[in-house]
Amino acid sequence: DVKVTQSSRYLVKRTGEKVFLECVQDMDHENMFWYRQDPGLGLRLIYFSYDVKMKEKGDIPEGYSVSREKKERFSLILESASTNQTSMYLCASSLVSKGTRTDTQYFGPGTRLTVL
Amino acid sequence: QKEVEQDPGPLSVPEGAIVSLNCTYSNSAFQYFMWYRQYSRKGPELLMYTYSSGNKEDGRFTAQVDKSSKYISLFIRDSQPSDSATYLCAMSRPSGYSTLTFGKGTMLLVSP
Repeated sequence: DVKVTQSSRYLVKRTGEKVFLECVQDMDHENMFWYRQDPGLGLRLIYFSYDVKMKEKGDIPEGYSVSREKKERFSLILESASTNQTSMYLCASSLVSKGTRTDTQYFGPGTRLTVL
Repeated sequence: QKEVEQDPGPLSVPEGAIVSLNCTYSNSAFQYFMWYRQYSRKGPELLMYTYSSGNKEDGRFTAQVDKSSKYISLFIRDSQPSDSATYLCAMSRPSGYSTLTFGKGTMLLVSP
């Protein structure tokens, strides 16, 4: 079974703080993703990475950065947290099988971040 | 027009009912279709995966894809209270970096 873990389930931070959200997957997946999920807006892709040290912007990258130094770990960084970044943050990973392409993503449990 | 449209619900049904959840999409390049189930305050979990058109059955769940109509469905037979969750459809193109396009989810409530 694929396991995706996230460092915290709940996090409370203050405006202006630098925030690190960590994600680890144990299935040697190439691709990793960070989403935020808000009521009425659904899942929105922030950043993704298809290899170590590689990253691509998603739909809403502003105010965020990412780091992928090892294949199994993908970090989301809020450089200066703001109240509009209060949200549920979800990490996911996927394996692209050579030949039979599969895009199924496996999600972690989520981190509910509150910025005061 | 949004790429993927999904009725947010809530959809309320009695236990034992047959449930039909649906998504429409506009991009004919989508080839891979998925359904995720998300319980409150949890991450989405993959429920069904289909490639291109046709049906796929897994226990009480059936996923159906009609590419000509750009319409996908998830049927749940003999629904249970434990099926109460938000159901997200997702789809992807056979190129690029495996990004998925998600619907916003339909909340399903199954009452005993």
